[in-house]
Amino acid sequence: NAGVTQTPKFQVLKTGQSMTLQCAQDMNHNSMYWYRQDPGMGLRLIYYSASEGTTDKGEVPNGYNVSRLNKREFSLRLESAAPSQTSVYFCASSHPGTGTMAQYFGPGTRLLVL
Amino acid sequence: GIQVEQSPPDLILQEGANSTLRCNFSDSVNNLQWFHQNPWGQLINLFYIPSGTKQNGRLSATTVATERYSLLYISSSQTTDSGVYFCAVGPFGNEKLTFGTGTRLTIIP
Repeated sequence: NAGVTQTPKFQVLKTGQSMTLQCAQDMNHNSMYWYRQDPGMGLRLIYYSASEGTTDKGEVPNGYNVSRLNKREFSLRLESAAPSQTSVYFCASSHPGTGTMAQYFGPGTRLLVL
Repeated sequence: GIQVEQSPPDLILQEGANSTLRCNFSDSVNNLQWFHQNPWGQLINLFYIPSGTKQNGRLSATTVATERYSLLYISSSQTTDSGVYFCAVGPFGNEKLTFGTGTRLTIIP
């Protein structure tokens, strides 16, 4: 099992450019999440999906859109990147209803917006 | 929203020492998790522990939900334990997690 995978690992964008961060999990988990981590801080939830076809805003959703393409994949899109979106982005998944809400994380995507 | 406070913010120990990390939270929760972020940035789930005590090797965790705190114990520290330890909590009926700002642990050989 690969667990949670994310692409790309690194990306540099210019202000105003768009891009999509990809996330996939092979653990048959229902729930998936997108977080951002800024230097010296904990993670903050951007968006969350409890199942295919459903999404919900987290703490910092402005400037982002998401798509839960199927059970395995959850993508994060920046339509018009801003320097304030420079961060490390983590995707995670979990399977509530199995007795645990433990979240498992991907390796992260480092994004620099110039 | 829920506030999560971790202490101490930084901890430097010799290899072989024991440590206790604390997580206080401001409201009732039914979801509490501890994570280790290694120096390469990878986040590893250590414990899902909304209440009670769990042990995994040299690590153990205790959550006292009624008093709104959790403790992570690391015994016989090794250099590979270095990194940042995060506590994250979620309220009843909600899968969303709020993270603390972490405890940075440095183990010196």
